[in-house]
Amino acid sequence: QVHLVQSGTEVKKPGASVKVSCKASGYTLTNYGFTWVRQAPGQGLEWMGWISTFNGDTRYEQKFQGRITLTTDTSTGTANMELRSLGSEDTAMYYCARVRILGAHFDSWGQGTLVTVSS
Amino acid sequence: QSVLTQPPSVSAAPGQRVTISCSGSSSNIGNNVVHWYQQLPGVAPKLLIYHDDLLPSGVSDRFSGAKSGTSASLAISGLQSEDEADYYCAVWDDRLDGWVFGGGTKVTVL
Repeated sequence: QVHLVQSGTEVKKPGASVKVSCKASGYTLTNYGFTWVRQAPGQGLEWMGWISTFNGDTRYEQKFQGRITLTTDTSTGTANMELRSLGSEDTAMYYCARVRILGAHFDSWGQGTLVTVSS
Repeated sequence: QSVLTQPPSVSAAPGQRVTISCSGSSSNIGNNVVHWYQQLPGVAPKLLIYHDDLLPSGVSDRFSGAKSGTSASLAISGLQSEDEADYYCAVWDDRLDGWVFGGGTKVTVL
């Protein structure tokens, strides 16, 4: 059974960075990439980026370019999302999800990680 | 403002049918497959429909998807109280080189 388990709640000050992890199990890791989606309080879903576990290729939503880094560690089956220069507008629930190829559907999601940015 | 346009809310009585629209453009819906996600209150989204009209294993056949041109739709028949949730369409956008989501539609069962 596919499981994506994310790291716990984070509280950060403005200007800091946050790293959220997503540990996958129950499938062959390199057959799927990871994508990251966030949801601000009371708002809709916002796609942030994608990384291939096959070759490390990435795609980032333009608004996060320069502030986000996605990585994977195939030895531990973990994907990581680092977001830098945090502002209050980055307060949100962050989700990882599994996706087979670019353009495909996100067929399994992590439980979400709440990141709060506050001084 | 979302690249994909969905109505903010729809409502109907139990047993009725509702339809949620998702309007896009030639760079997204017009050239790629559409997916739909259901988000129940307080939990992560769940895949509901993929590749325009396919149901994942375990999803009720009361849900159906369709696409025509640059618009897609999600229909829920035999509406039940457990269907109260937010629903999002999503698709790859060739111009933006990434996925885009609709703004979401809240379904209320009267």
